Amino acid sequence: GDSVTQMEGPVTLSEEAFLTINCTYTATGYPSLFWYVQYPGEGLQLLLKATKADDKGSNKGFEATYRKETTSFHLEKGSVQVSDSAVYFCALSRDANFGNEKLTFGTGTRLTIIP
Amino acid sequence: EPEVTQTPSHQVTQMGQEVILRCVPISNHLYFYWYRQILGQKVEFLVSFYNNEISEKSEIFDDQFSVERPDGSNFTLKIRSTKLEDSAMYFCASTGQLWGNTEAFFGQGTRLTVV
Repeated sequence: GDSVTQMEGPVTLSEEAFLTINCTYTATGYPSLFWYVQYPGEGLQLLLKATKADDKGSNKGFEATYRKETTSFHLEKGSVQVSDSAVYFCALSRDANFGNEKLTFGTGTRLTIIP
Repeated sequence: EPEVTQTPSHQVTQMGQEVILRCVPISNHLYFYWYRQILGQKVEFLVSFYNNEISEKSEIFDDQFSVERPDGSNFTLKIRSTKLEDSAMYFCASTGQLWGNTEAFFGQGTRLTVV
């Protein structure tokens, strides 16, 4: 079945450091890939997505590129801020283009940025 | 911005008791979902609901679980006889369009503790 494996946390970085959170997936066909973020006390929010191979999703300075050859969707940011402290979830969906967006998630990576 | 709301934020119940977790999805959305996350584990899909019936369910969603949309706004998850292993964070989500790329909107979650 489908699965998502993401980097174990927690991750602690200093402000302005470079961030990478690794995510790899196993799925048949051509899934859509997502990064969700959960800030303290809030629900999961879509951060970015990519729906086909070589697409790059980007938002709020974060980027991730859909790499079919390595089945990866690593999240990167060039210079993190304290406000980026949150839990980040990598996810995939095989039905995103048809309304039923059942998601398969990774375990989440807790990111803490220190000033 | 529209949001999905879940109540309560935290519920403690005794083993064997019935619990109902409540969600108010975004009003014009068509698909509704429940996910759960046991502490330290992955966010897992439980069930999706469309057109007043279950469209897909996971193997976790056994006879102890049921979902209902009792009126035009609420979407509920009932656990008939709770077990210790049902302790988890439960997330409700909804998606909108019937066709085309959609974004899943999540609630902030209900933390269920079974004692």
